Amino acid sequence: DGGITQSPKYLFRKEGQNVTLSCEQNLNHDAMYWYRQDPGQGLRLIYYSQIVNDFQKGDIAEGYSVSREKKESFPLTVTSAQKNPTAFYLCASSPSTGDKNIQYFGAGTRLSVL
Amino acid sequence: AQKVTQAQTEISVVEKEDVTLDCVYETRDTTYYLFWYKQPPSGELVFLIRRNSFDEQNEISGRYSWNFQKSTSSFNFTITASQVVDSAVYFCALSEGFSGGYNKLIFGAGTRLAVHP
Repeated sequence: DGGITQSPKYLFRKEGQNVTLSCEQNLNHDAMYWYRQDPGQGLRLIYYSQIVNDFQKGDIAEGYSVSREKKESFPLTVTSAQKNPTAFYLCASSPSTGDKNIQYFGAGTRLSVL
Repeated sequence: AQKVTQAQTEISVVEKEDVTLDCVYETRDTTYYLFWYKQPPSGELVFLIRRNSFDEQNEISGRYSWNFQKSTSSFNFTITASQVVDSAVYFCALSEGFSGGYNKLIFGAGTRLAVHP
């Protein structure tokens, strides 16, 4: 089945530690996105990538980093510089043709600080 | 500035009741798109509908219907004869066209719907 797979489902971070969230898609979509969701709030864009080896900062990129070495994969690293990382993280992708502004989402990763 | 407002934080209904979720948006563009997504307890956002700014026809899909009114900048969502499985957080979102292969979605804060048996 085509879709977006995020792992792990739950992740715990210690003080000063970097952690990486995985996002893989087999939809052959060019664009991929990372969002952060806090309780009672909408989704906020962290980073996005339109093509391989290219990515752009979203609205809240500080303390995060990404890479896009393969079309299928768009991992997000939450660095120690992110002082309030506890949140639900959602990855999405969208096609570059056809219904190109419909974003499809993974099941999310819930990150907590120990 | 682009903005999406979902004034209803939480709604609680009894099964079989009809319920309307409100969405008001702000944009300066003449070309834009509006979306509704459903987030069940599992966490994944599920795409429900997309409308563009040139199509004000209301849409019905089974028990779901959407009312788009440019005059009031609203894109409301009605669930008829609600069911327990409709319990979820519903997000309204706005997109202002395209920039290459990328489009930015502006999300509202979401409305949590609880349908009780």
